[in-house]
Formats: sequence, structure tokens, C-alpha cells
Amino acid sequence: DAGVIQSPRHEVTEMGQEVTLRCKPISGHDYLFWYRQTMMRGLELLIYFNNNVPIDDSGMPEDRFSAKMPNASFSTLKIQPSEPRDSAVYFCASSFVLAGDSETQYFGPGTRLLVL
Amino acid sequence: AQKITQTQPGMFVQEKEAVTLDCTYDTSDQSYGLFWYKQPSSGEMIFLIYQGSYDEQNATEGRYSLNFQKARKSANLVISASQLGDSAMYFCAMRETNAGGTSYGKLTFGQGTILTVHP
Repeated sequence: DAGVIQSPRHEVTEMGQEVTLRCKPISGHDYLFWYRQTMMRGLELLIYFNNNVPIDDSGMPEDRFSAKMPNASFSTLKIQPSEPRDSAVYFCASSFVLAGDSETQYFGPGTRLLVL
Repeated sequence: AQKITQTQPGMFVQEKEAVTLDCTYDTSDQSYGLFWYKQPSSGEMIFLIYQGSYDEQNATEGRYSLNFQKARKSANLVISASQLGDSAMYFCAMRETNAGGTSYGKLTFGQGTILTVHP
């Protein structure tokens, strides 16, 4: 089975430009998470969805960040306008819950974003 | 306050020996989950092992085991028979119960421990 798919794997852009990161969760998973990893702040959750509905977006740093999940197999994280401090690795993860299961989150390979 | 604390920024171990990576956590929830992930230099996050707060037995997955001491709020990862490919960053994470009582909240990660396996 394919794992979580993210695109692009690398993105270099200039300050002020719009950036769109994409994620395809594992088929059948009903939770989708967006994380950001930086040296200073480590791994932090930005937002997560359940059945395509945003549940907790308290980690979204500011209004420049937005996330959507139009259907069960696709999500986007958009930064507009981008700033150098947004440079980080952005991970998408998905999980599926059965009663009594571990609801393990499986991560995609990440998108390395560099904003110049 | 830190919810997940990994006190060892770096650890070294000889190939074929066992190593323990420390993790302590802080929560007032009765139901929670503890996870360990491995992040090699290539950057991906690889799930290793899970321990539920109500699980009475320590979790094991191949060479990985989780030394769960609930009263001490610790969830240490034990890697037996270390291999060169185990060299990576290791993250401990905790999933707490949502305020509404559902069990699927965010994962909170520790700062990680870099493990280096020497030949």
C-alpha cells in the first residue's frame, strides 16, 4: 500500500510568494495532520482534520497559513504571503481509528520549504 | 511546562549492544498514548512503537521495547542489539484525550535524542 504522499518534496521560493503544499493520506484513513519541524521549535502540530473537517487549528501560526481538505484523499496547506521564518520541513500524517487500536499516525516524507 | 521531556540530546552505543533512550511525560489525563518515532538523516518519520496508558504489559516490536513506568510517568525506549542503521534522531510523543472525551488529539513531541551507533 502507498504511504502518505506529499508534494513537492522540496520548494524554494521568494519572500512574498504563495506556497501550496499538498498531501494525499493513506486510503481509508480518516484523520489528517499537518506538522512543521524546525530546529528552534521542534515538531509542532499546525492543524488536523477528521473526516475532512478541521478539528483543531490552534497551531496555525497566523492568518498567512490556511489548510483545506476538500475530500478524503487530498489536503493542502497554503502560505500566503510566505516569509523567511516559514522555512521548515512540513509533514503530513494520517491515521485511522478502530476501537482499541493505537491510532498510530503515519507520516509522509515531508516538504522542505526554503523561503529566501 | 514541557509535556514530553527527552533529557539526552545525544547518545552513543556500540554495535550489537542495547541502549535506552529516556522519555518522561506530564499529563493529568487518565487515558493517553505514548509513541516513539525514528527520524534518520533522510528526514522521514518512522513509527516504531506504541504504548497505551491502560496497557499493563510493556509494548514490544522486534528489537524495540518500551519500558513503561506509569507512576514515574516515564516511557523509555529500549533498542536491543543495536545496528548501524539505528543511527538516527528518536522522538517520544504523547497523545492526550480531547476535552470532549474523544481520544484523538494532537501528538506532542519531545525535542528528540540523536543516537549514534559505533561499529
